[in-house]
Amino acid sequence: AQSVTQLDSQVPVFEEAPVELRCNYSSSVSVYLFWYVQYPNQGLQLLLKYLSGSTLVKGINGFEAEFNKSQTSFHLRKPSVHISDTAEYFCAVSDTGVGRRALTFGSGTRLQVQP
Amino acid sequence: NAGVTQTPKFQVLKTGQSMTLQCAQDMNHEYMSWYRQDPGMGLRLIHYSVGAGITDQGEVPNGYNVSRSTTEDFPLRLLSAAPSQTSVYFCASKVTGANTEAFFGQGTRLTVV
Repeated sequence: AQSVTQLDSQVPVFEEAPVELRCNYSSSVSVYLFWYVQYPNQGLQLLLKYLSGSTLVKGINGFEAEFNKSQTSFHLRKPSVHISDTAEYFCAVSDTGVGRRALTFGSGTRLQVQP
Repeated sequence: NAGVTQTPKFQVLKTGQSMTLQCAQDMNHEYMSWYRQDPGMGLRLIHYSVGAGITDQGEVPNGYNVSRSTTEDFPLRLLSAAPSQTSVYFCASKVTGANTEAFFGQGTRLTVV
């Protein structure tokens, strides 16, 4: 079984400032890691994913995330946020085996970008 | 590009009523799933299906039934609604495989009074 912890429920930040959204996971097996974004009144869409290889992963809209196996973390970063980045962000894991192939989500972090 | 379509978008039910949340996808994805989203709890898996005729339980299946008669459709049934089922429900589909992207519908906001 896996679990995902997103340490911050809300992150307020000013426009053009950098931001980091934290994600830690726990699993007894190898996992794939994902970040999804949910804009108001919409479904989730994929920002980026880590499958293997380089630990720094780049996604859409200027976001990137770094996989740290020793710290079991997958933090999301953006060097300069825009008002349009205001949304809820979910970290998720999926075990690499055949199993359920389902995603296990964290509780989400609401990013509030202020002018 | 329809993707994943959920209906209805909003629904209010009385305790004890039944209803079906519809989900359809046009991407020929074998894998489909239902999640519920509650404040501070993220998304929790209710049921999933790896293909037509095959369904299985997720982590919160009680009170919900599913069936998968076609690749395209994956309806979620509430047999006797309870206030604890007030939530936002999301249907998702993807190509089979743990490393593939899930595509989500826009959600159904359900209130049980």
